[in-house]
Amino acid sequence: RKEVEQDPGPFNVPEGATVAFNCTYSNSASQSFFWYRQDCRKEPKLLMSVYSSGNEDGRFTAQLNRASQYISLLIRDSKLSDSATYLCVVKGLGNEKLTFGTGTRLTIIP
Amino acid sequence: ETGVTQTPRHLVMGMTNKKSLKCEQHLGHNAMYWYKQSAKKPLELMFVYSLEERVENNSVPSRFSPECPNSSHLFLHLHTLQPEDSALYLCASSHRTGDTYNSPLHFGNGTRLTVT
Repeated sequence: RKEVEQDPGPFNVPEGATVAFNCTYSNSASQSFFWYRQDCRKEPKLLMSVYSSGNEDGRFTAQLNRASQYISLLIRDSKLSDSATYLCVVKGLGNEKLTFGTGTRLTIIP
Repeated sequence: ETGVTQTPRHLVMGMTNKKSLKCEQHLGHNAMYWYKQSAKKPLELMFVYSLEERVENNSVPSRFSPECPNSSHLFLHLHTLQPEDSALYLCASSHRTGDTYNSPLHFGNGTRLTVT
């Protein structure tokens, strides 16, 4: 089983729709979780951290389910500018490295 | 200039060439990283430097040789590469507090390397 697994997509979604994707992780001791966004031919950038209680940042909502070992990202009222690859990132305790998923590619269609 | 800058943006080299990738961060971070990103694969951590000391080497072949002369600069020296080494090489930086590497990582825009 991969350490961090994501559906690679692509997800083609009409503008204004709501889209959600999940990410599963294999290490139950993982402590920190993040979503990064990578635009085409650009570097990854932190989108948001994922907290145990779930958190929201504008149109974006992140959830963590420790029992089932997955995190999710929900995007409401999607915009054309949301088109990107979304990378799930998991970190263990202390100085353990960040482990990246392969990313989920999202395209918002006008 | 702010953030993390990498040069060159694109590099084509033959298998017998020697080249170097350069990374510079202007964020005051004390940890720097080299990652490799290949198509349809997750980002792979290659090296971690903290306060100019290499603290992690993820079983990277010796044809990749990192150098960190100070906390703001990181190099990746390349020699006798193979075609399968063609990928996007990303530099990143972050804060390190004690033994903890803190997120977020700030990435440079990468060097697209093609080995012919």
